[in-house]
Amino acid sequence: DAGVIQSPRHEVTEMGQEVTLRCKPISGHDYLFWYRQTMMRGLELLIYFNNNVPIDDSGMPEDRFSAKMPNASFSTLKIQPSEPRDSAVYFCASSFGGALRGGGYTFGSGTRLTVV
Amino acid sequence: DQQVKQNSPSLSVQEGRISILNCDYTNSMFDYFLWYKKYPAEGPTFLISISSIKDKNEDGRFTVFLNKSAKHLSLHIVPSQPGDSAVYFCAASPGNQFYFGTGTSLTVIP
Repeated sequence: DAGVIQSPRHEVTEMGQEVTLRCKPISGHDYLFWYRQTMMRGLELLIYFNNNVPIDDSGMPEDRFSAKMPNASFSTLKIQPSEPRDSAVYFCASSFGGALRGGGYTFGSGTRLTVV
Repeated sequence: DQQVKQNSPSLSVQEGRISILNCDYTNSMFDYFLWYKKYPAEGPTFLISISSIKDKNEDGRFTVFLNKSAKHLSLHIVPSQPGDSAVYFCAASPGNQFYFGTGTSLTVIP
């Protein structure tokens, strides 16, 4: 299994531009999570999906952020327009059955976003 | 507001000695706890977990202790090895999702 795959690994963009981050979860996993890592707040949950349906998006910071999961093997996190304070590492994670027991989530390697 | 707090951003330990990483939480509904380890340019990986029905769980060199009355958990690594140098996140769940701390960067000095 290739694990959770995120692309791109690095993204540098100018303020005001649209940014799209992509995630392919582990096949068979029914939960998908988007996290943001910053020094001040650690790993923050932005949104999570169960069977492709958004369950909780209360962590999405603003309307500039949106996430979709059109099918079980693909999700996107979009920021439009991007701002310098959005600069962070964005992680996607997936699990089976919520994985609220056992080993928790499997994380991707992250996308480092820099907005200049 | 941070429901899971790791108040030590960094820790340095000599190889062979014990590393103790601490984590505090505020939500009494949390009943399952995890530690994740993260190397640079990689995603966090699961290390060890503990349920609130236990106060200790061991896995090789790693032991997690849970003090429910103090809302405190700790990760002990004995003996520490240079390969343990990483950022460690604790996470807690009330049953629907995990809440993560800000991480502690551990450096094990050879």
